[in-house]
Amino acid sequence: EVQLVESGGGSVQPGGSLRLSCVASGFTLSAYSMNWVRQAPGKGLEWLSYISSSGTTIYYADSVKGRFTISRDNAKNSLYLQMDSLRAEDTAVYYCARDFLLGAGFDSWGQGALVTVSS
Amino acid sequence: EIVLTQSPVTLSLSPGERATLSCRASQSVGNYLAWYQQKPGQAPRLLIYDASHRATGIPARFSGSGSGTDFTLTISSLEPEDFAVYYCQQRYNWPPITFGQGTRLEIK
Repeated sequence: EVQLVESGGGSVQPGGSLRLSCVASGFTLSAYSMNWVRQAPGKGLEWLSYISSSGTTIYYADSVKGRFTISRDNAKNSLYLQMDSLRAEDTAVYYCARDFLLGAGFDSWGQGALVTVSS
Repeated sequence: EIVLTQSPVTLSLSPGERATLSCRASQSVGNYLAWYQQKPGQAPRLLIYDASHRATGIPARFSGSGSGTDFTLTISSLEPEDFAVYYCQQRYNWPPITFGQGTRLEIK
């Protein structure tokens, strides 16, 4: 069974940092590009970042560029999101999501990790 | 950035009825459009990819159509478990990958 499990969420003060992890099981992570998507409370979905299967190609949304860093360790079946200079508006549930190999879409999602930025 | 506008914002229907959800793109996205279903407290689930292809395990009552700038998700006969929020997503001209704001399908 394909599974993605996020961890590392929590509460942090504005300006602080957190590192999210996403551990994959049931498939070979190295074969897939991966993404981070977030959802603020009561709001819609926002794509944040993409990393290719090898890690050589990386993209960010403007809202997090320069503050967030995506990375992966295929040997550990893990995806990461380092979040620095956090702001109140970064409060959201953060999902890791797997690129669908056969077309446009994310075919597997983690359960989400809640990040709360508040003083 | 391509903006996706979904309509209606809220759709109130009864089980057994047909649901038609719309997603309009600010410029052509070819057929690089996906649809997701999200229930409260759950992650989104991929329903449709490449505008019209059902993802694995998705019931046949769900269908997608359209190309270019206008897309439709149709649920032919609503089941109780279909009441949820639905999002469209484009991946034609990216980054960024963008989502619509969502359509809430509620029980009438």
